[in-house]
Amino acid sequence: DTAVSQTPKYLVTQMGNDKSIKCEQNLGHDTMYWYKQDSKKFLKIMFSYNNKELIINETVPNRFSPKSPDKAHLNLHINSLELGDSAVYFCASSPFRDFYEQYFGPGTRLTVT
Amino acid sequence: ILNVEQSPQSLHVQEGDSTNFTCSFPSSNFYALHWYRWETAKSPEALFVMTLNGDEKKKGRISATLNTKEGYSYLYIKGSQPEDSATYLCAFWNRDDKIIFGKGTRLHILP
Repeated sequence: DTAVSQTPKYLVTQMGNDKSIKCEQNLGHDTMYWYKQDSKKFLKIMFSYNNKELIINETVPNRFSPKSPDKAHLNLHINSLELGDSAVYFCASSPFRDFYEQYFGPGTRLTVT
Repeated sequence: ILNVEQSPQSLHVQEGDSTNFTCSFPSSNFYALHWYRWETAKSPEALFVMTLNGDEKKKGRISATLNTKEGYSYLYIKGSQPEDSATYLCAFWNRDDKIIFGKGTRLHILP
Protein backbone atom coordinates (compact mmCIF):
# COMPACT_ATOMS: atom_id res chain seq x y z
CA ASP A 1 0.00 0.00 0.00
CA THR A 2 2.89 2.34 -0.75
CA ALA A 3 1.60 5.87 -1.27
CA VAL A 4 4.52 7.23 -3.31
CA SER A 5 6.83 4.69 -4.86
CA GLN A 6 10.03 5.10 -6.83
CA THR A 7 11.95 2.64 -8.97
CA PRO A 8 14.69 1.74 -8.84
CA LYS A 9 15.81 2.31 -5.28
CA TYR A 10 19.47 2.13 -6.28
CA LEU A 11 20.98 2.89 -9.64
CA VAL A 12 24.66 2.54 -10.47
CA THR A 13 25.68 3.52 -13.96
CA GLN A 14 28.58 4.86 -15.97
CA MET A 15 29.18 8.37 -17.19
CA GLY A 16 27.56 9.11 -20.51
CA ASN A 17 24.67 6.69 -20.07
CA ASP A 18 20.99 7.62 -20.19
CA LYS A 19 18.77 6.47 -17.35
CA SER A 20 15.23 6.93 -16.04
CA ILE A 21 13.75 6.97 -12.57
CA LYS A 22 10.05 6.26 -12.21
CA CYS A 23 7.65 7.65 -9.66
CA GLU A 24 4.07 6.64 -9.02
CA GLN A 25 1.56 7.83 -6.43
CA ASN A 26 -1.70 6.11 -5.56
CA LEU A 27 -3.07 8.94 -3.44
CA GLY A 28 -5.09 10.59 -6.17
CA HIS A 29 -2.98 13.74 -5.88
CA ASP A 30 -2.84 16.34 -8.62
CA THR A 31 0.70 17.59 -8.06
CA MET A 32 4.04 15.80 -8.18
CA TYR A 33 7.61 16.92 -7.60
CA TRP A 34 11.20 15.87 -8.13
CA TYR A 35 13.86 16.85 -5.62
CA LYS A 36 17.60 16.28 -5.59
CA GLN A 37 19.39 15.78 -2.29
CA ASP A 38 22.88 17.02 -2.91
CA SER A 39 26.14 16.04 -1.25
CA LYS A 40 25.53 18.54 1.55
CA LYS A 41 22.16 16.87 2.24
CA PHE A 42 20.20 19.86 0.92
CA LEU A 43 16.85 19.04 -0.68
CA LYS A 44 16.48 21.12 -3.85
CA ILE A 45 13.36 21.30 -5.98
CA MET A 46 13.91 20.36 -9.62
CA PHE A 47 10.48 20.10 -11.21
CA SER A 48 6.82 20.11 -10.36
CA TYR A 49 3.85 18.99 -12.41
CA ASN A 50 0.23 19.77 -11.72
CA ASN A 51 -2.22 17.55 -13.57
CA LYS A 52 0.44 16.69 -16.15
CA GLU A 53 1.33 20.35 -16.67
CA LEU A 54 4.83 21.59 -15.81
CA ILE A 55 4.55 24.35 -13.18
CA ILE A 56 8.01 24.49 -11.62
CA ASN A 57 11.17 24.13 -13.64
CA GLU A 58 14.20 25.19 -11.65
CA THR A 59 17.61 25.80 -13.13
CA VAL A 60 18.43 22.23 -14.00
CA PRO A 61 20.61 21.07 -16.92
CA ASN A 62 18.69 20.22 -20.08
CA ARG A 63 19.92 16.67 -19.69
CA PHE A 64 17.17 16.24 -17.10
CA SER A 65 13.71 15.84 -18.57
CA PRO A 66 10.60 15.05 -16.56
CA LYS A 67 7.70 13.25 -18.15
CA SER A 68 4.21 12.91 -16.75
CA PRO A 69 2.12 10.43 -18.76
CA ASP A 70 -0.76 10.86 -16.32
CA LYS A 71 -1.23 12.60 -13.01
CA ALA A 72 -0.26 9.48 -11.04
CA HIS A 73 3.17 9.23 -12.64
CA LEU A 74 6.14 11.54 -12.93
CA ASN A 75 9.27 10.04 -14.40
CA LEU A 76 12.71 11.59 -14.57
CA HIS A 77 14.92 10.90 -17.54
CA ILE A 78 18.58 11.86 -17.43
CA ASN A 79 20.73 11.94 -20.56
CA SER A 80 24.52 11.76 -20.73
CA LEU A 81 24.99 11.18 -17.03
CA GLU A 82 27.84 13.01 -15.31
CA LEU A 83 29.66 12.33 -12.05
CA GLY A 84 27.97 15.35 -10.47
CA ASP A 85 24.56 13.79 -11.02
CA SER A 86 25.29 11.32 -8.25
CA ALA A 87 22.75 12.07 -5.53
CA VAL A 88 19.55 10.83 -3.96
CA TYR A 89 16.48 11.83 -5.95
CA PHE A 90 13.15 12.11 -4.17
CA CYS A 91 9.74 12.17 -5.73
CA ALA A 92 6.84 13.72 -3.82
CA SER A 93 3.16 14.44 -4.35
CA SER A 94 0.58 16.74 -2.83
CA PRO A 95 -3.22 16.88 -3.15
CA PHE A 96 -3.21 20.10 -5.12
CA ARG A 97 -0.81 22.77 -6.19
CA ASP A 98 0.36 25.35 -3.69
CA PHE A 99 0.76 24.95 0.00
CA TYR A 100 -0.49 21.46 0.76
CA GLU A 101 1.83 19.07 2.57
CA GLN A 102 3.92 16.80 0.42
CA TYR A 103 4.22 13.04 0.62
CA PHE A 104 7.67 11.79 -0.26
CA GLY A 105 8.79 8.62 -1.93
CA PRO A 106 11.65 6.50 -0.52
CA GLY A 107 14.27 8.06 -2.76
CA THR A 108 16.51 6.70 -5.51
CA ARG A 109 20.23 6.70 -4.89
CA LEU A 110 21.98 7.34 -8.20
CA THR A 111 25.69 6.68 -8.41
CA VAL A 112 27.54 7.64 -11.57
CA THR A 113 30.97 6.08 -11.99
CA ILE B 1 19.11 35.06 -3.24
CA LEU B 2 16.45 33.36 -1.15
CA ASN B 3 17.85 31.78 1.97
CA VAL B 4 16.30 29.52 4.58
CA GLU B 5 18.34 29.03 7.73
CA GLN B 6 17.71 26.52 10.47
CA SER B 7 19.35 26.63 13.85
CA PRO B 8 20.89 24.92 15.55
CA GLN B 9 22.31 22.47 13.01
CA SER B 10 22.45 19.76 15.65
CA LEU B 11 21.01 19.36 19.09
CA HIS B 12 21.39 16.80 21.89
CA VAL B 13 18.52 16.69 24.37
CA GLN B 14 18.00 14.51 27.40
CA GLU B 15 14.94 12.27 27.25
CA GLY B 16 12.04 13.98 28.98
CA ASP B 17 13.35 17.50 28.37
CA SER B 18 11.60 19.97 26.11
CA THR B 19 13.35 21.70 23.25
CA ASN B 20 12.81 24.06 20.37
CA PHE B 21 14.55 25.17 17.20
CA THR B 22 14.21 27.85 14.59
CA CYS B 23 13.61 28.29 10.90
CA SER B 24 14.36 31.73 9.42
CA PHE B 25 13.08 32.66 5.98
CA PRO B 26 12.53 35.74 3.79
CA SER B 27 9.70 37.85 5.18
CA SER B 28 8.60 39.18 1.79
CA ASN B 29 6.45 37.38 -0.77
CA PHE B 30 5.60 34.69 1.79
CA TYR B 31 3.13 31.98 0.85
CA ALA B 32 3.58 29.00 3.18
CA LEU B 33 5.97 27.29 5.53
CA HIS B 34 6.20 23.53 5.92
CA TRP B 35 7.81 21.47 8.67
CA TYR B 36 8.94 17.92 7.98
CA ARG B 37 10.38 15.19 10.14
CA TRP B 38 13.04 13.05 8.51
CA GLU B 39 14.23 9.87 10.15
CA THR B 40 17.41 8.21 9.00
CA ALA B 41 16.88 5.82 6.07
CA LYS B 42 13.31 7.03 5.60
CA SER B 43 11.58 9.80 3.66
CA PRO B 44 10.56 13.20 5.00
CA GLU B 45 7.13 13.17 6.64
CA ALA B 46 4.99 16.28 6.86
CA LEU B 47 4.36 17.72 10.29
CA PHE B 48 2.75 21.07 9.64
CA VAL B 49 1.78 23.44 6.86
CA MET B 50 1.50 27.02 8.05
CA THR B 51 0.24 29.93 6.02
CA LEU B 52 -0.97 32.73 8.27
CA ASN B 53 1.03 35.06 10.46
CA GLY B 54 0.49 34.02 14.05
CA ASP B 55 -0.44 30.46 13.11
CA GLU B 56 0.09 27.89 15.82
CA LYS B 57 -0.17 24.21 15.03
CA LYS B 58 0.03 21.21 17.33
CA LYS B 59 0.36 17.48 16.83
CA GLY B 60 0.75 15.54 20.05
CA ARG B 61 3.89 16.78 21.83
CA ILE B 62 5.07 18.78 18.81
CA SER B 63 3.91 22.29 18.05
CA ALA B 64 4.97 25.13 15.80
CA THR B 65 4.48 28.88 15.56
CA LEU B 66 4.82 31.22 12.63
CA ASN B 67 5.83 34.87 12.33
CA THR B 68 5.73 35.90 8.69
CA LYS B 69 6.42 39.58 9.36
CA GLU B 70 9.82 38.89 10.87
CA GLY B 71 10.43 35.69 8.94
CA TYR B 72 10.75 32.92 11.48
CA SER B 73 9.04 29.80 12.74
CA TYR B 74 9.71 27.81 15.90
CA LEU B 75 9.22 24.10 16.34
CA TYR B 76 8.71 22.90 19.91
CA ILE B 77 8.94 19.37 21.25
CA LYS B 78 7.64 18.79 24.75
CA GLY B 79 8.94 15.91 26.86
CA SER B 80 11.35 14.51 24.24
CA GLN B 81 11.24 10.77 23.59
CA PRO B 82 13.79 8.56 21.81
CA GLU B 83 11.48 8.30 18.80
CA ASP B 84 11.77 12.08 18.33
CA SER B 85 15.36 11.61 17.15
CA ALA B 86 15.33 12.77 13.53
CA THR B 87 16.20 15.70 11.31
CA TYR B 88 13.57 18.42 11.25
CA LEU B 89 13.31 20.34 7.99
CA CYS B 90 11.48 23.51 7.21
CA ALA B 91 10.50 24.49 3.67
CA PHE B 92 9.63 28.02 2.58
CA TRP B 93 7.21 28.64 -0.30
CA ASN B 94 6.83 32.04 -1.89
CA ARG B 95 4.24 33.38 -4.29
CA ASP B 96 6.52 32.84 -7.27
CA ASP B 97 6.41 29.06 -6.81
CA LYS B 98 9.84 29.00 -5.19
CA ILE B 99 10.27 26.17 -2.71
CA ILE B 100 13.39 26.30 -0.56
CA PHE B 101 14.29 23.79 2.12
CA GLY B 102 16.54 24.53 5.06
CA LYS B 103 19.43 22.21 5.88
CA GLY B 104 17.57 20.88 8.88
CA THR B 105 18.13 20.56 12.61
CA ARG B 106 19.40 17.14 13.59
CA LEU B 107 17.90 16.19 16.95
CA HIS B 108 19.41 13.45 19.12
CA ILE B 109 17.52 12.32 22.20
CA LEU B 110 19.79 10.95 24.90
CA PRO B 111 18.35 8.16 27.09
